[in-house]
This record gives sequence, C-alpha cells and structure tokens, in this order.
Amino acid sequence: SAVISQKPSRDICQRGTSLTIQCQVDSQVTMMFWYRQQPGQSLTLIATANQGSEATYESGFVIDKFPISRPNLTFSTLTVSNMSPEDSSIYLCSVEEPNEQFFGPGTRLTVL
Amino acid sequence: AQTVTQSQPEMSVQEAETVTLSCTYDTSESNYYLFWYKQPPSRQMILVIRQEAYKQQNATENRFSVNFQKAAKSFSLKISDSQLGDTAMYFCAFMKGSSYKLIFGSGTRLLVRP
Repeated sequence: SAVISQKPSRDICQRGTSLTIQCQVDSQVTMMFWYRQQPGQSLTLIATANQGSEATYESGFVIDKFPISRPNLTFSTLTVSNMSPEDSSIYLCSVEEPNEQFFGPGTRLTVL
Repeated sequence: AQTVTQSQPEMSVQEAETVTLSCTYDTSESNYYLFWYKQPPSRQMILVIRQEAYKQQNATENRFSVNFQKAAKSFSLKISDSQLGDTAMYFCAFMKGSSYKLIFGSGTRLLVRP
C-alpha cells in the first residue's frame, strides 16, 4: 500500500487565521480525499481532490472554507480558512487503491 | 442513502480472549464493499479487513475475521487471541462499488485488559 505523510502533525491556531495541511504520497495515485474527524466522532468526507481540476465537495463543505489544491498525482493540500473553535478536529487525507482506501497519519488541529 | 450503525460504543476483553464487534448497514446497492478500520491512540487509521459483497466467503486476516450476513446486512468483526495492541477505536465502513466515498459508523472503543 502507498505510504502517506501529512504536515503538520498537529497545530494550535488562533481564531480567524488559516492553516494549510499538506499530504504527500510515495506513489502516483488517481484519487485523494480529505476527511474531518471531530472530537469523539467518526470520519466525514470533506472533498475529493482531483488532479488538474477543482475539488468535489460533499454536502455541508464549501470551497471558500476548505480550499484544496492537487497540483500532481502525489500531493495535495487542504486549507482550513478563517478558523473558529468548531474547526478543532483531526484532518486526514486518504488515497484510493483498487477498492480500498489508505489513510495518512492525520493532522490534529486545535483552534483557540 | 447508505447508513452504517455500530451499536456498541465501548467493549472490553481480557487479553488472549475473543471479542466480536457488531456492525449493521443499510443499502439498496448490490455491489459494495465493507471495511473495518482500526484507530489506535496515535490516530492513524489502519485498514484491518475488507469484504466484497459479491463474495460469500468471509474474509480473514490472521487473528481478524468477519461474519458477513448479506441478507441481514450485518458485518461483525471477530478478534481472536486479543492482544494489548488491539486496544483502539474500530470503525466499520461502507463503500458503494461505483463510488470511492467511504461511509463510516460511529465507532466502537475496544479495551484489551492485561
């Protein structure tokens, strides 16, 4: 399976600021995804990061709040914009291999 | 819409014993996949086991096996010879065959006692 890394692993941010999370894969993959895991909750898909085109967002998530880039087949970024304490979560990227998904180690974000 | 339900928020098992985690799902799809993921305190999501809906044989990975009851829409995970390192959150997940979207259950926290 692909090896996935994320930066930063954790961060503490002030409300109103933005944070960009990076996801790097050690091989080319077609599909990359971003998930949010709120404290004590399960995972919810934010969007699918498409290479060469705009991301596809799930209901309840918008591009202005969570802009995503996918410049090539091994890298993607998720920005959490204009943060509030409600954005405190673990953010995980994942990649699709045939009929399976593998996850990065996650980024723990705390917004004060 | 598909839903995944895990009715056991927490489970506890003695080391070396066997434990079964429950999962039910609701779908009208005929082609889909089911997964169990493990999330230890390190928060890394680890794929434990996968089941294709079209396969009647239950998937097995070492100490982990599933009981897939398609008609009942049930997908339980059995962990044999439990080890301390099995302590984690376990999430059941569903994926429609033509989609890459994973739908997760609410999770079951498993504690393995020494």
